[in-house]
Amino acid sequence: DAGITQSPRHKVTETGTPVTLRCHQTENHRYMYWYRQDPGHGLRLIHYSYGVKDTDKGEVSDGYSVSRSKTEDFLLTLESATSSQTSVYFCASSGANNEQFFGPGTRLTVL
Amino acid sequence: QKEVEQNSGPLSVPEGAIASLNCTYSDRGSQSFFWYRQYSGKSPELIMSIYSNGDKEDGRFTAQLNKASQYVSLLIRDSQPSDSATYLCAVRTSYDKVIFGPGTSLSVIP
Repeated sequence: DAGITQSPRHKVTETGTPVTLRCHQTENHRYMYWYRQDPGHGLRLIHYSYGVKDTDKGEVSDGYSVSRSKTEDFLLTLESATSSQTSVYFCASSGANNEQFFGPGTRLTVL
Repeated sequence: QKEVEQNSGPLSVPEGAIASLNCTYSDRGSQSFFWYRQYSGKSPELIMSIYSNGDKEDGRFTAQLNKASQYVSLLIRDSQPSDSATYLCAVRTSYDKVIFGPGTSLSVIP
């Protein structure tokens, strides 16, 4: 299994505060992804990265930004958290074959 | 039309039976197909990948791909209660995006 971790695993925050979620992988995978998973919506891609400092938007990118300064780290920032961003966030990484390996997830609650 | 569709279920099968999970996709140029299993409260884990038409077997799991019909399926033989989970189909499209289906919930009844 790919070594991929996420931190924090749980977070409760208040509306309007910035939040940063961290993803770290030890597989030297080129591609990294951030998803959110909500009941009735399945997995939805927020942003992805195809290399250091190379990122692109997914289908639900509004209100989120990302950064990738090193191959192993991919950060997701909620610029000003809203209650609609309460969700479970998954990070994933893959090589060129697109087989994605997922981190354990972060449960975020925005009050 | 959604890009990747799956029956939401729940699909219930008795222990020892064959579970059949189906997935259809809209992008005819898609080339890579993946099945993931997700236990409640856990992250998705990759079960199988399939890239060419036909069957691919791995233990009790068989993936079947028919590009002409834009259809991919996952068969689970000798289903066990531990197979109870949500199964996600994912497709790499011709525009190089991986799209996940909504998942099918499987319940294996002892």
